[in-house]
Amino acid sequence: SYEMTQPPSVSVSPGQTASITCSGDKLGDKYACWYQQKAGQSPVLVIYQDNKRPLGIPERFSGSNSGNTATLTISGAQAMDEADYYCQAWDSSKGVFGGGTKLTVL
Amino acid sequence: QVQLVQSGAEVREPGSSVKVSCKTSGGTFSKFAFSWVRQAPGQGLDWMGGIIPIFGTANYAQKFQGRVTITADESTNTAYMELSSLRSDDTAVYYCARRLTSAPKDWYFDLWGRGTLVTVSS
Repeated sequence: SYEMTQPPSVSVSPGQTASITCSGDKLGDKYACWYQQKAGQSPVLVIYQDNKRPLGIPERFSGSNSGNTATLTISGAQAMDEADYYCQAWDSSKGVFGGGTKLTVL
Repeated sequence: QVQLVQSGAEVREPGSSVKVSCKTSGGTFSKFAFSWVRQAPGQGLDWMGGIIPIFGTANYAQKFQGRVTITADESTNTAYMELSSLRSDDTAVYYCARRLTSAPKDWYFDLWGRGTLVTVSS
């Protein structure tokens, strides 16, 4: 079955740029999206179709997807961005999530 | 606004079954597909399967095939997930999430329920 790999944790200082990667075989041939999940809450979509932001998601969130890697970039990270982030794609009409990355802003 | 309203927490004994519901409140049901995603304590998100209500056909992750049944009732705008032969490691929060049924580029979960905690314990 298809697998996607994320780093377990990423740390960033406030105001700096955080990049979270998601690796999978030919992931660039699929559409990747990203979800943010804060403690005790449901996931929230932050990036869809590789690089689009839903209404209400700050411009500091951006995405890219090429080759075997999708990347979520948070430019000017804020304390409120501290959360778990999950990439997600579809393979043969089945949903696949990456293992998740805990973003720490300190 | 549109919400996915899930049923309340459940406690089950090992070997039994549980059925969780997810009702679309305040919005269209027929344009969407519904997936179930579970999250064990301290773990990541795990896609279990999904259904397109207007077609009635469900699609399951290999890991849950044979133990999970996903259905939908268009008359009540409700999707259901039933998991059988429960084990202690099925203890998790179960989320429903919706996506459009159009082209694959639109297959992202734009709305999630609040989750239903299922505890499996003797």
